[in-house]
Amino acid sequence: GAVVSQHPSWVICKSGTSVKIECRSLDFQATTMFWYRQFPKQSLMLMATSNEGSKATYEQGVEKDKFLINHASLTLSTLTVTSAHPEDSSFYICSAILAASDTQYFGPGTRLTVL
Amino acid sequence: AQSVTQPDIHITVSEGASLELRCNYSYGATPYLFWYVQSPGQGLQLLLKYFSGDTLVQGIKGFEAEFKRSQSSFNLRKPSVHWSDAAEYFCAAIKAAGNKLTFGGGTRVLVKP
Repeated sequence: GAVVSQHPSWVICKSGTSVKIECRSLDFQATTMFWYRQFPKQSLMLMATSNEGSKATYEQGVEKDKFLINHASLTLSTLTVTSAHPEDSSFYICSAILAASDTQYFGPGTRLTVL
Repeated sequence: AQSVTQPDIHITVSEGASLELRCNYSYGATPYLFWYVQSPGQGLQLLLKYFSGDTLVQGIKGFEAEFKRSQSSFNLRKPSVHWSDAAEYFCAAIKAAGNKLTFGGGTRVLVKP
C-alpha cells in the first residue's frame, strides 16, 4: 500500500516551453502532497505544500508563477514548470500523506532537462 | 531553528560488514523521525520511523534504528550489508503530523566487494 507515482519519469524540453509533471497517490487519498527539488548529490529541497482544493503554499525563494501547482483531487497533484530554462533542470520528487498521518510516501521522481 | 544533521557525507563498507549511519536532530521537543533510502535516479523509500515507545525500531531490508533522547540521535544500523544496500540514505524529521519534513544532508553508502 501507499504507492505514489509520477509521470513522466523523465522529460527533455526546449527552453521557453512549459512542462507538466503529475503526481498520483494510487491506493490512498492524499489530502496533502509535497513537491521537492533535488540537485545532483544533494538533499531534497521542499518547494511547496499542496492541499487538495486550496492554493499551494510555497517555500521562501520559490517562484509561484514559475512553478504552478494544482491539487484538484485527493489523488492527483500537478507541477507545471512554466517558461522553463536550463537552470530549471533538476530531479523533481513529490510525496503524499494520508489524512492526519505522519508519514510521507514518495514518488519515483521526474528528471527534467531543459535544453 | 529545527535541523537534522548527518555528519557523514560518504561511508564505504565491505560487503558483509556492519553499517551505522549517524543522525542528530535539533528540535524543541522530540520530533517524529524517519530514515529513507534513495537508489540512484529513484525516489525515496521509507526504511523505518519512530514516533514514540520502544527506542529500538525495526525496519525493512534488515535495518534498525535506535532513538537516544540524551544524545538527540537516531542512528541507523544494519548488521551485515549487501551490495544492494549501496545508496543514499536520508534521515528526516517532522515536528507534528502533517508538518513539513526536514531532511538531513544525506549519507552516500558505497559497498566494496
